[in-house]
Amino acid sequence: DTGVSQNPRHKITKRGQNVTFRCDPISEHNRLYWYRQTLGQGPEFLTYFQNEAQLEKSRLLSDRFSAERPKGSFSTLEIQRTEQGDSAMYLCASSTITGTGGKNIQYFGAGTRLSVL
Amino acid sequence: AQRVTQPEKLLSVFKGAPVELKCNYSYSGSPELFWYVQYSRQRLQLLLRHISRESIKGFTADLNKGETSFHLKKPFAQEEDSAMYYCALSGLRADKLIFGTGTRLQVFP
Repeated sequence: DTGVSQNPRHKITKRGQNVTFRCDPISEHNRLYWYRQTLGQGPEFLTYFQNEAQLEKSRLLSDRFSAERPKGSFSTLEIQRTEQGDSAMYLCASSTITGTGGKNIQYFGAGTRLSVL
Repeated sequence: AQRVTQPEKLLSVFKGAPVELKCNYSYSGSPELFWYVQYSRQRLQLLLRHISRESIKGFTADLNKGETSFHLKKPFAQEEDSAMYYCALSGLRADKLIFGTGTRLQVFP
């Protein structure tokens, strides 16, 4: 499967614990995005990278959240001191900025579902 | 403020009936508009975007800048069209996507 890969698929944790998710984008995609989706809502943007540079962070991304893409390939999203309100589906997407013919087609992973007890 | 509004949470039709999923947006500038679809137990995937002006699986969507709308239409719904549909926009910098809350389409036989 050459699509966007996310691990783990499910994560159950206790409140106050730290969790880390991984996203492997489509090979050679230079952009990588993180979104969060809660029940009944569309995906909400968290942050994105172009290569290894983090270009934008949403106000949703509190200081308990940190994302990295150290070599411009895979990315990790860490949540420290998890809270019940962090329970959601965390989606990763990747894209490549093309020339004038098309841009920003984002391909999504299957997501990591986090449950904080 | 940048916003995408999908007023219907659920749209139920019978097979063969026309379908229109509504999407309105608010954006200061010229956004790029998309429709994403999520079939049961599958990941979110792009259905179509306004720049390409193409028909995918019989669906079309026209960007109406005057009404700031990007409604998704299909003349004859099929059972396999049953899914969750999300309208989304991005800015000229081709960065983040802003999604609506989604509309669940149910097509009955």
